Amino acid sequence: QQQVKQSPQSLIVQKGGISIINCAYENTAFDYFPWYQQFPGKGPALLIAIRPDVSEKKEGRFTISFNKSAKQFSLHIMDSQPGDSATYFCAAPGTSYDKVIFGPGTSLSVIP
Amino acid sequence: KAGVTQTPRYLIKTRGQQVTLSCSPISGHRSVSWYQQTPGQGLQFLFEYFSETQRNKGNFPGRFSGRQFSNSRSEMNVSTLELGDSALYLCASRVGVGETQYFGPGTRLLVL
Repeated sequence: QQQVKQSPQSLIVQKGGISIINCAYENTAFDYFPWYQQFPGKGPALLIAIRPDVSEKKEGRFTISFNKSAKQFSLHIMDSQPGDSATYFCAAPGTSYDKVIFGPGTSLSVIP
Repeated sequence: KAGVTQTPRYLIKTRGQQVTLSCSPISGHRSVSWYQQTPGQGLQFLFEYFSETQRNKGNFPGRFSGRQFSNSRSEMNVSTLELGDSALYLCASRVGVGETQYFGPGTRLLVL
């Protein structure tokens, strides 16, 4: 069974700090590697995604770092805010090119 | 551009009943995927449809079925409901294989 592993499972960060969530995958055939943000009672919303031909992508306070050789990518949230408190999911390829597998999620709490 | 819409948003059923959930993808998106989300299991892939054909299927029993119409709208049906089917059912659409998925708000199903 193809897996996507996420760490940590939960994270508590003080306001203004840096939140880092990691994702490890197995299959390499994929065109993009996304992070989704989900608030309670809502569907996951695409936060940021990266193509495998670049090593880093930054959008505002959110940065994806991609390590193709290690089959890992991470989400960095700079200057974390209480409004960033949510569950974050990464996604990566499954057993076939067109199958998407989601990580188990990371619950982020940003405390004032 | 309007996002992915799902109806109904909330549903209460009793064991043994059946239910049909509806999803309207983003205009121009031909692929629709369905996921089941529960606190213990995370996001579990049910199936994906592309141009009215089922492309991929997850590890769910045959009680879970779906279809896609020529306008890309999709329905998911669950027959003989069980208590364990209580979950948030999410629909996601994308333009095609390898492209970013966009999620709807989900349908919260409670089976009593």
